[in-house]
Amino acid sequence: GAVVSQHPSWVICKSGTSVKIECRSLDFQATTMFWYRQFPKQSLMLMATSNEGSKATYEQGVEKDKFLINHASLTLSTLTVTSAHPEDSSFYICSARVAPRGLGNQPQHFGDGTRLSIL
Amino acid sequence: AQKVTQAQTEISVVEKEDVTLDCVYETRDTTYYLFWYKQPPSGELVFLIRRNSFDEQNEISGRYSWNFQKSTSSFNFTITASQVVDSAVYFCALSESNTGGFKTIFGAGTRLFVKA
Repeated sequence: GAVVSQHPSWVICKSGTSVKIECRSLDFQATTMFWYRQFPKQSLMLMATSNEGSKATYEQGVEKDKFLINHASLTLSTLTVTSAHPEDSSFYICSARVAPRGLGNQPQHFGDGTRLSIL
Repeated sequence: AQKVTQAQTEISVVEKEDVTLDCVYETRDTTYYLFWYKQPPSGELVFLIRRNSFDEQNEISGRYSWNFQKSTSSFNFTITASQVVDSAVYFCALSESNTGGFKTIFGAGTRLFVKA
């Protein structure tokens, strides 16, 4: 159980294109999803926290107009990289946490990531 | 503010050797959670363990073991009798209870090479 599906797994597109990445929790409801970015040989950097039905919370230094996040349902969050440029090329990973039923911090379940290459 | 330090950037061992990956964390919360994840070359993140701040018992799972020491703010990970399939990047992560949404912060990762 607790499967997170991320789509697409690989995107290559021209500079100036907008790219949408989907993150779905397949067998559980996720009130909170997270979006991370990982450059080669670096750690995962949290970009934003996506809460169902409300605006995403962006980390310092992340442009909210550049990286649009929509969490329209308990099983789907999308990240749209608008007018992508080569410097946006990276590995983007989403994660989702099971809606908490009580105390405790459940582990995040990660999607397999999306490799974005902007030419 | 929360912080996770993995001082070892890369470790190289020969198969069957034991190896310990270090993790030191900083937090002001009394309630927090620590995690270890594995990221093989294919890129996906594999959850290995979660430990809450009130449980200092060490844990063993097969060839994996974890040593949680609150006194030194460390959560080290040991692989016994390493195998080539253990080659991956390992991330230690911290999640604070007082942070909205329990966001998780990752360390820089330790790249483990296990040679046959």
